[in-house]
Amino acid sequence: DAGVTQSPTHLIKTRGQQVTLRCSPKSGHDTVSWYQQALGQGPQFIFQYYEEEERQRGNFPDRFSGHQFPNYSSELNVNALLLGDSALYLCASSLYVKNTEAFFGQGTRLTVV
Amino acid sequence: AQSVTQLDSQVPVFEEAPVELRCNYSSSVSVYLFWYVQYPNQGLQLLLKYLSGSTLVESINGFEAEFNKSQTSFHLRKPSVHISDTAEYFCAVSNYGGSQGNLIFGKGTKLSVKP
Repeated sequence: DAGVTQSPTHLIKTRGQQVTLRCSPKSGHDTVSWYQQALGQGPQFIFQYYEEEERQRGNFPDRFSGHQFPNYSSELNVNALLLGDSALYLCASSLYVKNTEAFFGQGTRLTVV
Repeated sequence: AQSVTQLDSQVPVFEEAPVELRCNYSSSVSVYLFWYVQYPNQGLQLLLKYLSGSTLVESINGFEAEFNKSQTSFHLRKPSVHISDTAEYFCAVSNYGGSQGNLIFGKGTKLSVKP
């Protein structure tokens, strides 16, 4: 079992650009959630996808969008990057009907310059 | 709205000493409670969780946490720490019965175990 895998592991982008991060959930899981962890802070919930739809959303602007594919993998897109978007982006997978545990990936470190 | 407060940002301790990492939460509804651990340059790993039942929960590597509803606390303890316990620890809550995707985390406590 490969667990939750995220790609890429590191990324450097210029302010104003767009970025796409990818996540493959743990085998058997159908729900993917994305979190942003700024330096020195706890993770903050961005949004959650289940059945290819956004089910919940945290307090993030529309520049943050996502997608879930039929195989349950997911993408996080961020448009018009700001310096403040620099963070570790974490993907977590879980089972929607058994919502008692989430498994996290290693994260993607995004640096905006 | 829910919130989590981790009272100590850093906790230095000597090897084999006991440690307590404090966590208080605020919520108007029943919650699930979690402790996650993050080693340098890695993602989060679930350490232990409280869903219901016994208020004392234990992990496989010697950590335990006690849910105290009256004090709205979920402090993490270990009677004797090892160098390998050096990491950042995050307390988190989610709505009872709600999707666990909506985890609310504290700001974390960095545990530094010294020889």
